Amino acid sequence: NAGVTQTPKFRILKIGQSMTLQCTQDMNHNYMYWYRQDPGMGLKLIYYSVGAGITDKGEVPNGYNVSRSTTEDFPLRLELAAPSQTSVYFCASSFLPLAGALYNEQFFGPGTRLTVL
Amino acid sequence: GQQVMQIPQYQHVQEGEDFTTYCNSSTTLSNIQWYKQRPGGHPVFLIQLVKSGEVKKQKRLTFQFGEAKKNSSLHITATQTTDVGTYFCAGITSGTYKYIFGTGTRLKVLA
Repeated sequence: NAGVTQTPKFRILKIGQSMTLQCTQDMNHNYMYWYRQDPGMGLKLIYYSVGAGITDKGEVPNGYNVSRSTTEDFPLRLELAAPSQTSVYFCASSFLPLAGALYNEQFFGPGTRLTVL
Repeated sequence: GQQVMQIPQYQHVQEGEDFTTYCNSSTTLSNIQWYKQRPGGHPVFLIQLVKSGEVKKQKRLTFQFGEAKKNSSLHITATQTTDVGTYFCAGITSGTYKYIFGTGTRLKVLA
């Protein structure tokens, strides 16, 4: 299994440009998440999904959109890039909760480093 | 909104010394998870705590979940250079699927 893969690894955008960050997992996980991590900081949840066709906002959703048409893919869309969106973006996935444990560990992708100039 | 704070923000230790990071939530948590992130890497899951007062050990690492389920700690005994990285806690409240990550503690181990 490749686990969680993200593309691209690096990207430089100009202010106002748009792009889509790709995330794919091959573990048949129902739950998927997008986080951003600013330099020296913790992770902030942008959007999450509990299954195909179901998405919901996290802590910092403004300026982003997501879709989940399949179990495997969870792309993140930036419509009008701004310097404040310069960050490292991590995608993560997890199994459905197991009996006796409410939630399960998240598996993270390697990240996309985005710079907006 | 819910906040999860960690202290200290940074910690430098000599190899062989012990290290502890503390995680405090503004609300009661259902579960808490701990992750380690090496410099330039992605977070990697270490452990999950579910029960009030729970203590779990992984070799030199000891994890605790507070009785009120609002705080947690990670203790490393006799640190090694391989322990270098940032340690994050991530809490989740009942009925949600939103993990709230702590601010992280960056550990540097001096050989």
